[in-house]
Amino acid sequence: QMQLVESGGGVVQPGGSLRLSCAASGFLFSSRAMHWVRQAPGKGLEWVAFIRYDGSNENYVDSVKGRFTISRDNPRNTLYLQMNSLRVEDTAIYYCAKTGSSYYYDAWGQGTLVTVSS
Amino acid sequence: EIVLTQSPGTLSLSPGERATLSCRASQSVNSNSLAWYQQKLGQAPRLLIYGASSRATGIPDRFSGSGSGTDFTLTISRLEPEDFAVYYCHQYGTSLITFGQGSRLEIK
Repeated sequence: QMQLVESGGGVVQPGGSLRLSCAASGFLFSSRAMHWVRQAPGKGLEWVAFIRYDGSNENYVDSVKGRFTISRDNPRNTLYLQMNSLRVEDTAIYYCAKTGSSYYYDAWGQGTLVTVSS
Repeated sequence: EIVLTQSPGTLSLSPGERATLSCRASQSVNSNSLAWYQQKLGQAPRLLIYGASSRATGIPDRFSGSGSGTDFTLTISRLEPEDFAVYYCHQYGTSLITFGQGSRLEIK
């Protein structure tokens, strides 16, 4: 059974940093592209970042480029999101998502809440 | 960036009725790379449909997807009580992935 478990969320001041983790199990992690998707309180879904199965390519939504870095450790079956220079508007639940045969998401974690506030 | 516009914003129906949700793209979606998700309050989204019309594993056949190009539809043939939720469309045919703003399906 596929499982994704995020951790690392919390409360941080504007300008601060956080590192999110997503532990994967139940599938061959090293063969799948992975994504981060966020959802601001009471709002819709927003794609944040993507990383290829082997870590050789990444992409980001414009609003986080230069501030967020997605990475992965395939031997540890873990996905990361390093978030620097955090802004109030980054406040959201952050989900990691596994891709299927294409870049739709056939498994999601439960999410981790990031709150950016002074 | 492909903008996805979902309609209606809110749909009020009764169990047993048919629901039709629309997702319109600002430009053609490559290879029908469009998915639908269901999200209930306090839960992560769940994949329903991918490739515009393929049902995900374990999804009941009352859920169906159709459409191509810029116009896509999610149909729920006979609503069950557990179907009342928010639904999102999602295009993954470009490097800049986007979601629709969501349609809320509520009990009338």
